[in-house]
Amino acid sequence: GENVEQHPSTLSVQEGDSAVIKCTYSDSASNYFPWYKQELGKGPQLIIDIRSNVGEKKDQRIAVTLNKTAKHFSLHITETQPEDSAVYFCAPSGGGADGLTFGKGTHLIIQP
Amino acid sequence: DAGITQSPRHKVTETGTPVTLRCHQTENHRYMYWYRQDPGHGLRLIHYSYGVKDTDKGEVSDGYSVSRSKTEDFLLTLESATSSQTSVYFCAISRQHANTEAFFGQGTRLTVV
Repeated sequence: GENVEQHPSTLSVQEGDSAVIKCTYSDSASNYFPWYKQELGKGPQLIIDIRSNVGEKKDQRIAVTLNKTAKHFSLHITETQPEDSAVYFCAPSGGGADGLTFGKGTHLIIQP
Repeated sequence: DAGITQSPRHKVTETGTPVTLRCHQTENHRYMYWYRQDPGHGLRLIHYSYGVKDTDKGEVSDGYSVSRSKTEDFLLTLESATSSQTSVYFCAISRQHANTEAFFGQGTRLTVV
């Protein structure tokens, strides 16, 4: 099965600064790389994803970069805002119907 | 928001009692999943379903069973609840297999005393 590690486990940044969260995985067959955001009391929600034929994808203030050779991908959030405070999960997958394997999560704290 | 409803949202039960959690979807998605979320462990897959009456085990399936008699409903049963099953349980659905977006319910907080 897929081994997923996510770093850091907690990240505190000043409002307006950038945040980067990294996810490493073990399965070289993985070809789908999503990031989920979980706000307090809610279920996770997809915020951005990337497939293995693309190196980078951007959506306004968030971006995901993929390094398949090194087996890691990262979430980048620029110009952070208070509403970015949440727990973020990566969930790389390789195509089996086994369900997503999640990282343990990164608690992002935006300091005013 | 995707049409996923989990019930109940909160439940307190005693050790040794059976408990059933329900996940209901209105999206007609083929795949349904049950996860549990615990501090320090993230989300771990319990069981999943790839069609009516088609289910399989996930990473942490011991002590849990599931059933899917209709496309829209996926039930998770704890046959005899234990304190280690105190957790927040999430149902998720997806249109295809794991390589597409998964939509999550709001979660069920279960406390076993």
